[in-house]
Amino acid sequence: AQSVTQPDIHITVSEGASLELRCNYSYGATPYLFWYVQSPGQGLQLLLKYFSGDTLVQGIKGFEAEFKRSQSSFNLRKPSVHWSDAAEYFCAGGSGYSTLTFGKGTMLLVSP
Amino acid sequence: NAGVTQTPKFQVLKTGQSMTLQCAQDMNHEYMSWYRQDPGMGLRLIHYSVGAGITDQGEVPNGYNVSRSTTEDFPLRLLSAAPSQTSVYFCASSYTTSWNYGYTFGSGTRLTVV
Repeated sequence: AQSVTQPDIHITVSEGASLELRCNYSYGATPYLFWYVQSPGQGLQLLLKYFSGDTLVQGIKGFEAEFKRSQSSFNLRKPSVHWSDAAEYFCAGGSGYSTLTFGKGTMLLVSP
Repeated sequence: NAGVTQTPKFQVLKTGQSMTLQCAQDMNHEYMSWYRQDPGMGLRLIHYSVGAGITDQGEVPNGYNVSRSTTEDFPLRLLSAAPSQTSVYFCASSYTTSWNYGYTFGSGTRLTVV
């Protein structure tokens, strides 16, 4: 079955440290992959997307993600985390004309 | 442009009551969908529509009805509310069924059923 998995429920990172949030997918064909961010009480905002071409994609707010077919992964990275990055992050995927499937989310906590 | 507008933002219902959650978009998006978000469950698809007059079920459709009479509107109806439907509901839209555009989300409706 097509699925998206986020192995980490919570992650705590010190402000200024680097960040990597994990996302694994299970799709037969090349998937479309997305990362969304949700601040408390808000809707979801698109950070970045991958659907073809360069495997390293740049997004908003200094985030990037790398598509690795061999590892079935699409991990989100940021070189230096700011306190305002504290939020919940969702990886999502689709293939062909299927509907989008979301992971269960990773809550990012930023410590001073 | 307003994007995706959801109303109401908050609602409390008694068990057995019915209500309609409204969703409207002004971007001429063909695709619209409803998700529910529960702690530790991520977002789960309830119903979706690929155009006016066309709807289909998602992962968790039971207890919900939808219709799509216009491109702009995609209301979600709860026929007889149950405590298990306490959740945050998000409406999302996209240009087409090709996902390279990503979704635009509304700000959500927080529903409590007592």
